[in-house]
Amino acid sequence: GENVEQHPSTLSVQEGDSAVIKCTYSDSASNYFPWYKQELGKGPQLIIDIRSNVGEKKDQRIAVTLNKTAKHFSLHITETQPEDSAVYFCAAHGNNRLAFGKGNQVVVIP
Amino acid sequence: NAGVTQTPKFQVLKTGQSMTLQCAQDMNHNSMYWYRQDPGMGLRLIYYSASEGTTDKGEVPNGYNVSRLNKREFSLRLESAAPSQTSVYFCASSEMVGYSNQPQHFGDGTRLSIL
Repeated sequence: GENVEQHPSTLSVQEGDSAVIKCTYSDSASNYFPWYKQELGKGPQLIIDIRSNVGEKKDQRIAVTLNKTAKHFSLHITETQPEDSAVYFCAAHGNNRLAFGKGNQVVVIP
Repeated sequence: NAGVTQTPKFQVLKTGQSMTLQCAQDMNHNSMYWYRQDPGMGLRLIYYSASEGTTDKGEVPNGYNVSRLNKREFSLRLESAAPSQTSVYFCASSEMVGYSNQPQHFGDGTRLSIL
């Protein structure tokens, strides 16, 4: 089955800097890659997603890039703000299953 | 616009007790899901319902049962709770029929402790 790994597990950035989280997946048939943000005490919230026929997608300060050959996809957050502090989960959908990574704790230092 | 609502938010049980976690969505979504979240484990699918009237096992179904009561509601039941079921449980829904590659909308979870 699909296996998704996230790196790094914890990321600290200065406010205003960029943050990048990378995920790798194992199933080359996976075709949908969402990113979720989870704040303390809340459920995961979808922030951006990308399908396998697209290499990059951007929404304001957030972007996702997909490299199908290397089987990895990354979340880019520019001009980070304190409210970006949260746990971020990547996921990959293939073979009728959505597999989640274990999450990255992002801390934005004011 | 509530989205996905889960009740209760917190619960403490003794080993062997039973309980039902409730989930309702007001987005007219077809598919609904139950996940558990454990520290360092990410989210794991327990059961899902691809449409009203259907349910299927996910990755970790043992010890659980589900009921898709109607299009809005999807409940998760622990018949005889065990300490290994201590976790945070999330319900989610998505628009289309089937467990396919589509966005899922999550509730805020039920934090369950089993002593």
